[in-house]
Amino acid sequence: GIQVEQSPPDLILQEGANSTLRCNFSDSVNNLQWFHQNPWGQLINLFYIPSGTKQNGRLSATTVATERYSLLYISSSQTTDSGVYFCAVVTTLTGGGNKLTFGTGTQLKVEL
Amino acid sequence: KAGVTQTPRYLIKTRGQQVTLSCSPISGHRSVSWYQQTPGQGLQFLFEYFSETQRNKGNFPGRFSGRQFSNSRSEMNVSTLELGDSALYLCASSLGFSGSSDTQYFGPGTRLTVL
Repeated sequence: GIQVEQSPPDLILQEGANSTLRCNFSDSVNNLQWFHQNPWGQLINLFYIPSGTKQNGRLSATTVATERYSLLYISSSQTTDSGVYFCAVVTTLTGGGNKLTFGTGTQLKVEL
Repeated sequence: KAGVTQTPRYLIKTRGQQVTLSCSPISGHRSVSWYQQTPGQGLQFLFEYFSETQRNKGNFPGRFSGRQFSNSRSEMNVSTLELGDSALYLCASSLGFSGSSDTQYFGPGTRLTVL
């Protein structure tokens, strides 16, 4: 099956710093999602991005499907950005519907 | 519009017991998918239900099963619990149409501890 790798696995930032998280995938995919998992375990949708660039406030994401990677940019980080960031590739299944294959995640801690 | 809800939020069981978890999708969503999250294996797809039928299944033993009701609410059941079943179980709902743009939205999860 498809392999999804994220880097770096851990990241510590000072508040106000910028960061780039990377997601590599081993095969062509239909689509890709980025999630933020808060300390309570909730997965929050950030972006649904098959290709190109999207921005939402201080966050933006870029997917280059032909080169099999996606990047998540966090600017002016805040302590509330702490948590685990996952990318997940979307595969349409033969039975219909989609399956998400998740990466290993990047654990982000933003300190004052 | 209310989000995805899961009950219970926390559960403690002992080995050999069985457990049932519940998921109520977003109104109008017909697909419910279940995922297991553990520190060792990460987030893995369990199965997906659509219109009361299991449409897709991940690579988990038969002890893991589920069902979906006519109102799209779903339950998953784990029988003969093992220590390794301790995990955060997440459900996700979506409209359920075929096509990669059908976004999945996740509930808060049920944290199961097996002693």
